[in-house]
Order: sequence, then C-alpha cells, then structure tokens
Amino acid sequence: GQNIDQPTEMTATEGAIVQINCTYQTSGFNGLFWYQQHAGEAPTFLSYNVLDGLEEKGRFSSFLSRSKGYSYLLLKELQMKDSASYLCAVRDGDYKLSFGAGTTVTVRA
Amino acid sequence: IAGITQAPTSQILAAGRRMTLRCTQDMRHNAMYWYRQDLGLGLRLIHYSNTAGTTGKGEVPDGYSVSRANTDDFPLTLASAVPSQTSVYFCASSEGLAGGPVTQYFGPGTRLTVL
Repeated sequence: GQNIDQPTEMTATEGAIVQINCTYQTSGFNGLFWYQQHAGEAPTFLSYNVLDGLEEKGRFSSFLSRSKGYSYLLLKELQMKDSASYLCAVRDGDYKLSFGAGTTVTVRA
Repeated sequence: IAGITQAPTSQILAAGRRMTLRCTQDMRHNAMYWYRQDLGLGLRLIHYSNTAGTTGKGEVPDGYSVSRANTDDFPLTLASAVPSQTSVYFCASSEGLAGGPVTQYFGPGTRLTVL
C-alpha cells in the first residue's frame, strides 16, 4: 500500500512563510503533486515535481528529495486567501495518485 | 468551457437505494477518476478509466461500479447504498494516465448522505 504523511494543521500570520512537509512510502514513484483545496470546493493543481530539487511558482515553491521520500510546499508572503487545505499526492508505479490526508493552513491577520 | 461537471450537487439517500452520480468533462481527456473524500482520510480512489471502454479498480471499489461508454461521461453507481458511503465524491480527469506532468482536474463534487 501507499503511505503519505503530512501534518494535520498549521497556523501562520499574514505575510509570513509556512512550510508544509510531506513524507511518502509508495510502490514506485512517478511524480509528486501538491493541490490546494478551499473549504467546500474542489482541489486545484499547484505544483508538480518528478526530479530532485526546487520548483518555484510565484509565492509557492515545492521541493522534492526522492532518496528521502520527502517533499515540502513553501508558501511565502502569506495572504488570507491562502487559508485552505494543501494535499500532497504521489503518483505510483501504476501512474495512479495516492493522496495524503491534507494539511489545513489557517492564516491569521 | 465548463471543464468537469458533476450532478447532483448534493443528495440525501435512504439506505438500500440505488444511486448514480454523474460526471461529464468537455476537455476530451482520456483518463477519468472517481474519488471519495472523508475527514481525516483524504482523497481515496474508487475507480478509474484510462480510456473509453476500459475501467479499473482503485483503492476502495467495493459497493461501487462505473462505466465508460464514451470519452466525456463517467457515471458512478451505488447499487445498494449504505451509511458508510456517506462522503463527498469527486470526479477528475487527465489527458492520459502515464508519462509527464499529467495533471488531474477535479469537478466540484457531490455531497452524498446515506441514512
């Protein structure tokens, strides 16, 4: 089976930086995705990593270390609208996605 | 372009009843998926389809069936609903299953309550 772990909740102040960690143990690896999900809405794609290193997209960056089974999503210059759940998902050897339970980030003024 | 639509938005269903959740995409994506999302468990794959005419079982397929008669539609059927199937159901699609940064796009979800 697949095992994907991420913290349940995180709280940060507007303008600050938050790092959401994700560790995984899966049957095969074909990429790691981060999705954002606002309450009551569908998940939306944020980032994709398949090689080791950092991918930067504006205020959001995602890092991957395949040897350590580890990724993080970095949210910079936090805004109130960033309050949401962030889902780590790994595409396994069969190219299907397995999701972590999600990390709920609360941004406070 | 609507992307992915799901119907109904929400439904309350008596246990033992049959229910079909509808999913339609207009992006001509080959692959489609059904997930359920439960608090503390995240998204779990129920069934998937690589292309029209083929389907496969995901992590939690029991009690559910799917069909893929054409590219656009991927209905999910609960033959005899049970309370443990109370959940939020998301349909998703992607260009294909294998290779490259194949991103899945999600529909708005169906909130199902089985009493």
